[in-house]
Amino acid sequence: SQQGEEDPQALSIQEGENATMNCSYKTSINNLQWYRQNSGRGLVHLILIRSNEREKHSGRLRVTLDTSKKSSSLLITASRAADTASYFCATGNTGGFKTIFGAGTRLFVKA
Amino acid sequence: NAGVMQNPRHLVRRRGQEARLRCSPVKGHSHVYWYRQLPEEGLKFMVYLQKENIIDESGMPKERFSAEFPKEGPSILRIQQVVRGDSAAYFCASSPDGGTTGELFFGEGSRLTVL
Repeated sequence: SQQGEEDPQALSIQEGENATMNCSYKTSINNLQWYRQNSGRGLVHLILIRSNEREKHSGRLRVTLDTSKKSSSLLITASRAADTASYFCATGNTGGFKTIFGAGTRLFVKA
Repeated sequence: NAGVMQNPRHLVRRRGQEARLRCSPVKGHSHVYWYRQLPEEGLKFMVYLQKENIIDESGMPKERFSAEFPKEGPSILRIQQVVRGDSAAYFCASSPDGGTTGELFFGEGSRLTVL
C-alpha cells in the first residue's frame, strides 16, 4: 500500500486563489517531499522538509509538517493557470532507501 | 548539465514481446530508482539500484521483470513476454545519496503500450 495519501484527490480553483493540499503518511520518515507533474511529463521536485522541521517556504509555496499527526500540507499562494498539474507527496524513510509516493492531488486553476 | 535521460519515450509492443527501457542518471549519481505509473494514478516503486547492485526490488514482479545498473552504461528495465497489463509509464529517477536526504531527479518517462 502507498505510504502517503493526498487529500483532496482533485481541486479546482480560480486564478489568484490559494490552493491547499494535504498528505498523510503511515510510518516514521526522514523527510517529506512534494513534487509536481504536468500532464504527460516527468515529476519535478518542489520542496523537501526534514522530519525535524515544521515549516518551509519556497517562493509561493509553503509546506508544513506535523510528525505527531503524520501529516503535511502544501499551500500554493496566488495560484496561476500554469500551476495546473498533479501534486504528489513522497516520503523518505528513516534508514531506508525507498521514496514512496502518494496517489496525488490534481489541481485545476481556471484563468 | 544533462538531467535523467530515458529512452525510448514511447514504445509499442505486441503481447509476448520484450520491452527494454533505458535510463541514464544525472552525471555523478550512482543511485537509480524505477517507478511505474498507471493513468490517473501515483507512482509505484519498483526497484532501487546502485552501480552493479540491486538494493531493493520489493516492488518489482518476480516474473518477467528484471533490472540492472551496470558499471558502465545506463540502467535497463527489462520486461519479458509483455502483457496488456504492463502498459504504463515507467519513470526512472536518480539521486546522489540514496534519496534519504535529498530530492529525486526524474526523467520524462517511457510510455509502454502493449497491443
